[in-house]
Formats: sequence, structure tokens, C-alpha cells
Amino acid sequence: DTEVTQTPKHLVMGMTNKKSLKCEQHMGHRAMYWYKQKAKKPPELMFVYSYEKLSINESVPSRFSPECPNSSLLNLHLHALQPEDSALYLCASSQEMRGGAFFGQGTRLTVV
Amino acid sequence: SQQGEEDPQALSIQEGENATMNCSYKTSINNLQWYRQNSGRGLVHLILIRSNEREKHSGRLRVTLDTSKKSSSLLITASRAADTASYFCASTSSGTYKYIFGTGTRLKVLA
Repeated sequence: DTEVTQTPKHLVMGMTNKKSLKCEQHMGHRAMYWYKQKAKKPPELMFVYSYEKLSINESVPSRFSPECPNSSLLNLHLHALQPEDSALYLCASSQEMRGGAFFGQGTRLTVV
Repeated sequence: SQQGEEDPQALSIQEGENATMNCSYKTSINNLQWYRQNSGRGLVHLILIRSNEREKHSGRLRVTLDTSKKSSSLLITASRAADTASYFCASTSSGTYKYIFGTGTRLKVLA
């Protein structure tokens, strides 16, 4: 299994809603990532978990809250988002620092 | 910003022609990877080149790395319409899991 699975594929939420994005991998990778991508722009790193511990937070607003329940799962909890947070949210995993990262298909988030 | 630069920003070629994209980065790296992205969906990992390698091949793809110039290039030979996509380079610095992406090249291959 060489896949990173993200759910849901599409999400529309109001500014007062609470929702979660989910990511799962079964490749035994020890690092997992959240990226945000706006249209026609490169992905921007948000968070990195290494061995289930948060190792990098790229000064992301607290309305985004990551969680790594176990080595296969990564969640991104969303609360009180703004319309400008609408974007494609990508999850990725990698085995080691020198290895390649595998990406999921992303969740297309629209905040209304 | 630590973001790398890619050029050209957009490239339009005929099927069968070769496509070359260039990437420059800012810090010392562990490795550099190239990804393809179709229509704003997930990124597909194409090829990884380590800092001690100079050239790597995979099928119709050829990647070069020049660490003295902090640059890499991706060559797609005998392009096909299905190669139409955005291509990104991403580099990791020593001792970090941080993948930093270049600005991307939008490739259009005309049938």
C-alpha cells in the first residue's frame, strides 16, 4: 500500500463551524505533514509530525489545530475559519528525512 | 521566503518535443524532488535526487543537480499530451523534515 488517503475530498463550511480533515497512511512512515495550497501557487508547509510529535509549526493560526492520534493517522481540526482559508489542503508522509514524501489527493475546502 | 524559484513559469510545446524546467533553491540540501500535479489535485512523486548525485534517470525523465549553483533541471523527453500538468521541485535541508517547494512550471503539451 503506497497511498496516502485524505477525507473528505470536498468540504464546504461556515465561519462558525467546526470540522476535521483526516489523513491516513499504512506505509509505516514516521513523518506526516499538512500543506495548504492556493490556486496556481506552490504548497505551503503548515505542520510536521515526527514520530507522532509535532516538530514543526509554521506559525499557523490557532484556528487550525493538528492532531496525530497514532503513527498512521493525522487530523487537522478546523474552527472559526475565514473565507481566505479556502484552499486545497494536502497531507503527506515520508519514511525519513532523506526520503521522498508521498502526497494524498487533498481536501478542497471552501469557507463561506 | 525560503521558497525556491522555477522557470519558466509556463511552457507550451508540441507533442513529441522535449520539455525542460529549471529550479533554484536557497539553502544546502539533503535531496531534491520533482512532483507533478494535475488540475489542482494531489502531487505525484516523480523522482528524487540526493545531494551527492549529479544526474538521475527514470523512464522519459532526466534530472540534474548542480549544488554549486543551487539548481536542478527536469527534462521530459518525447512529451505526450498526458504530461500536461504543473511541475514542482521540492528540497529538504540537512537535518530537517521540511520540504520547501519551488514556484512551479505549468506545462501544456499540444496534441
